[in-house]
Amino acid sequence: GNSVTQMEGPVTLSEEAFLTINCTYTATGYPSLFWYVQYPGEGLQLLLKATKADDKGSNKGFEATYRKETTSFHLEKGSVQVSDSAVYFCAPLNTGNQFYFGTGTSLTVIP
Amino acid sequence: DTGVSQDPRHKITKRGQNVTFRCDPISEHNRLYWYRQTLGQGPEFLTYFQNEAQLEKSRLLSDRFSAERPKGSFSTLEIQRTEQGDSAMYLCASSLGVYNEQFFGPGTRLTVL
Repeated sequence: GNSVTQMEGPVTLSEEAFLTINCTYTATGYPSLFWYVQYPGEGLQLLLKATKADDKGSNKGFEATYRKETTSFHLEKGSVQVSDSAVYFCAPLNTGNQFYFGTGTSLTVIP
Repeated sequence: DTGVSQDPRHKITKRGQNVTFRCDPISEHNRLYWYRQTLGQGPEFLTYFQNEAQLEKSRLLSDRFSAERPKGSFSTLEIQRTEQGDSAMYLCASSLGVYNEQFFGPGTRLTVL
C-alpha cells in the first residue's frame, strides 16, 4: 500500500540553523513527490515538488531530492528564518492522483 | 481569481444533525478533491471529481457522506446524522489535469457536540 513516514516534531531551531525534515514513503509505482507547508492560520501551500528519480525540487531556499533507491524525499534548508515557522507535510502523489500526506512536522524558529 | 474558497469556515452542530459544506475551486480547474484532517494528522483523501464525475471515493467516506459537483464547478459535501467522530477540518483542493499541484482552500472546521 501507500504510506508516508515523516520525522516527528515539534522541531525548534535558532535562526540561521540548518534544517532537515526526513520523509520516507512506500508506494505502488513511481509517485510524484511534494512538500506542502501550512503557515499559522493559513491553508496548505505547495512548497516544492519532484516528479522523477534524482529530480531536485527547490523553492524559497528549501530543497528536496527524489531518492528512488531509498524511497526518500528529505527536506533541507541551509539557514532557516523566523518566517519559516510552520507545519511541513510530505506528500507522495500516486498514479491514482491521490495524495498521501505525512502527519506533518511542526517547525518553530526562534530569533 | 482568489483561489479555492470554502464555506462556512466553521460549523458547530449537534450529533445527529445533517451538515453541508461548499467548495468553489479555481475557475479553470477540472479536478476537485475533498480531504479530512484531524488534529495532529495530515489530510486524508476522501474523494475527487473530474468535471462533474466523481471518480474515486475513499473507504473513509461512509454512506453518511455524499459529495456532488453538479455542473463541474462548485462542489458540496454533505454529512448526514453527524457523529462526534466526524469532528475535523474538511479541506477542498483543485487542480488542472493530472499530477499537477493541488491548490487548497482554507478548510471548514466541523465540531459535533
